[in-house]
Parts: sequence; C-alpha cells; structure tokens
Amino acid sequence: EIVLTQSPGTLSLSPGERATLSCRASQSVSSSYLAWYQQKPGQAPRLLIYGASSRATGIPDRFSGSGSGTDFTLTISRLEPEDFAVYYCQQYGSSPAFTFGPGTKVDIK
Amino acid sequence: EVQLVQSGAEVKKPGESLKISCKGSGYSFTSYWIGWVRQMPGKGLEWMGIIYPGDSDTRYSPSFQGQVTISADKSISTAYLQWSSLKASDTAMYYCARHQYWYFDLWGRGTLVTVSS
Repeated sequence: EIVLTQSPGTLSLSPGERATLSCRASQSVSSSYLAWYQQKPGQAPRLLIYGASSRATGIPDRFSGSGSGTDFTLTISRLEPEDFAVYYCQQYGSSPAFTFGPGTKVDIK
Repeated sequence: EVQLVQSGAEVKKPGESLKISCKGSGYSFTSYWIGWVRQMPGKGLEWMGIIYPGDSDTRYSPSFQGQVTISADKSISTAYLQWSSLKASDTAMYYCARHQYWYFDLWGRGTLVTVSS
C-alpha cells in the first residue's frame, strides 16, 4: 500500500502570500496518478489538479502542481480569501486503488 | 447540469440496516465509475470502493471489504452504499464521486450518517 504524507499539517499565511504544500509518497507514483483536492468547511472536496500538474476545469491559474516520483507540490501563488481550506493529495495505484493524504489546512494568520 | 445528487441525512441505531443513494444526471451514467469516500468527523478522506454502473463491476478497499455493499441500478442512474448492521463507528459523512481516469472529478454533496443508541 502506498502511503501519502502531507506537510505541513497546518500552514498559517496571510492573503496575498504564497503557499507551498508538500505531498510525499512511500513509493514512486506515476505523475499521471497524482491529484489534489480542496475542501472547505461543510462542503464536498473539489478537484484542483490532476496528473500532478494539470488544472481541472474552472480552477484559477494561481493554483499549480508539480513533482514526480515520490515528491509532489501544490503551490498557490497568491492566496485569496476563498483559498483558506484543507488540501488533500490522492494517488491511484495498487490495492487499495485510491489513497488520500491526511491533508494540509491552510488558515489565516 | 452535470451532477451527483445524494440522499438525505440519516439517523440510525446500532444494528440497523441502511442504504444511501447517489443519482447521476447530465452525463452518461453507465460510462464512468462511481466511487464512495468516507469522512469521519474532523478527519480526512478514505476511499471505500468503486462501481462501474455499466456492468456493476465493483472493487472494494481492503479496509471496507465485507463491511459495506456497493451496488448500482443503471436504469435510474443511481449508485448505492449499504450496511446490513450499523455500528457507532460508521458515523461519518459519505461522498459519492465520479471517477475520471485516475481521479475523482465530480462529487456529490455528501450524506451524513449518524449511528447512535
């Protein structure tokens, strides 16, 4: 089973600042199989990034993804008030087919 | 509009059975896998299993195999998640989500299941 670790657990930043979120896998993951989601309180998750670096439909270009192998990064170039949320990475692989990281909470400093 | 509409919140007692639903609309329901994801109170996302409504091919996470049953009725574009005997530890929000290649691109709003005596 591939285990995903996200860091930091909580990121306290101000609007306008840059956010860098890390997702590390216990084994190599194909870039095609790595996605990022945003979840706001009381809402369902929303797909942000798929294939490690492709933005989903309607996602602003301040969100970007990068990485390969075991290390992946989600970057928010300039935080907007609506970006304060929890972010999860997810991989597709061997059983279980899908695993999620524990999440990084981005909150207002 | 492309959407997944989930059934409403449920309050059950331990030992009771339950079946919750997820109805797809605005797209070809039989052409995409549908997955179920659990989120326990204050916790992260856990993948439970997935079904292809076209032929009801179903796969389960080892953590949930034998604990729940996933099914679908393609004639009404609906997927289901059911329990035969609920436990207090099944209290959680349950999301259905459409599977696109290697990720989930469309999510339902979730069904809150509360199990309490």
